[in-house]
Amino acid sequence: GAGVSQSPSNKVTEKGKDVELRCDPISGHTALYWYRQSLGQGLEFLIYFQGNSAPDKSGLPSDRFSAERTGGSVSTLTIQRTQQEDSAVYLCASSLVEGAFEQFFGPGTRLTVL
Amino acid sequence: EDQVTQSPEALRLQEGESSSLNCSYTVSGLRGLFWYRQDPGKGPEFLFTLYSAGEEKEKERLKATLTKKESFLHITAPKPEDSATYLCAVLRDNYGQNFVFGPGTRLSVLP
Repeated sequence: GAGVSQSPSNKVTEKGKDVELRCDPISGHTALYWYRQSLGQGLEFLIYFQGNSAPDKSGLPSDRFSAERTGGSVSTLTIQRTQQEDSAVYLCASSLVEGAFEQFFGPGTRLTVL
Repeated sequence: EDQVTQSPEALRLQEGESSSLNCSYTVSGLRGLFWYRQDPGKGPEFLFTLYSAGEEKEKERLKATLTKKESFLHITAPKPEDSATYLCAVLRDNYGQNFVFGPGTRLSVLP
């Protein structure tokens, strides 16, 4: 079946512009996660959704970052007024239910801020 | 501060040369430790979950073990297709679904 998909696969933007990154989880997966992976760094947790609500937003690095999920499915990560340090690969993962710790990851969106 | 470290940072093996990767963690209350494989340009792929010290899981040439302070990923007679970055992650008590990942070990298996 279809896995987790993310779009766009690559995004180049200018400093100060806003960007939206999209994640389509596996159908029926209620939990959805966003991570950031910078060059040579481990995955950094950003936010977790259970259904449409986000019980844990503790990883969002600043108020320029926000995310929403609609219909218990698609999620969008928005970065406002992008900075060069936002350049990274943004990964989305989904899992069947909370407590089912096997996460299925998408291929990521590579964001480059010039 | 909770921390996950992995060693070595990079490892080159000849095909058939067995070895182990290490994941050390200092967390207050471990709910689970996870191993993932990540190929270049792709998202991580789930391998194992370990919940308690003494637990072991196996899959093909890979075997994961867990103690109270660290986990090992043993690779027996590796093949070139095992080349990838191997990530470990921990889930902690009282932190919900906030996973902490280590920086990874980049494994190269030469034919």
